[in-house]
Amino acid sequence: AQKVTQAQTEISVVEKEDVTLDCVYETRDTTYYLFWYKQPPSGELVFLIRRNSFDEQNEISGRYSWNFQKSTSSFNFTITASQVVDSAVYFCAYGGETSGSRLTFGEGTQLTVNP
Amino acid sequence: NAGVMQNPRHLVRRRGQEARLRCSPMKGHSHVYWYRQLPEEGLKFMVYLQKENIIDESGMPKERFSAEFPKEGPSILRIQQVVRGDSAAYFCASSPLGQGFGANVLTFGAGSRLTVL
Repeated sequence: AQKVTQAQTEISVVEKEDVTLDCVYETRDTTYYLFWYKQPPSGELVFLIRRNSFDEQNEISGRYSWNFQKSTSSFNFTITASQVVDSAVYFCAYGGETSGSRLTFGEGTQLTVNP
Repeated sequence: NAGVMQNPRHLVRRRGQEARLRCSPMKGHSHVYWYRQLPEEGLKFMVYLQKENIIDESGMPKERFSAEFPKEGPSILRIQQVVRGDSAAYFCASSPLGQGFGANVLTFGAGSRLTVL
């Protein structure tokens, strides 16, 4: 069965610091997708990114960047120059060829950015 | 263009009562998913529905829980005879016509937080 591990339960940084959130997955699927979602204090989940297993190219979107490495089964998320508004719980999720339409979520990382 | 609408946002029930959670998918989306988030945990898949069809209910508890997505109206997650362990946030998500396994980008609602006294 697939598994997603976010080993960092909580991270606290000071504004403008860079921070990396780790995500490691386990699977035997050949084709799969990886996602990051953000859950701010208001509670809703906000989609950030989706990558497929055949595309290991890193992606940058503003202050956000993602590093996908199949060799280490990792899909890490970096926020550059963090801001207080980045404070949220961040979830990594997996969807693959043997999981139908189900997404498997990690336990989440609570990021607190202090002013 | 309204997103995924869930109501109620907060629901308090006593043990043994019934809880009904409603979800209206995003306009143009025909697929609905329910996930449960227990305190301090990630989201766990419960059920995947299309109009009038349950496609995958592998994450639903065998008893007391049911879901439907009728031809007209919102999707309903129903929990009968609630127990304290049912206290959680229940999230609904929707996606447009299926993009294939695992690929769907889900749009989530704000969740319904159930508290069982």
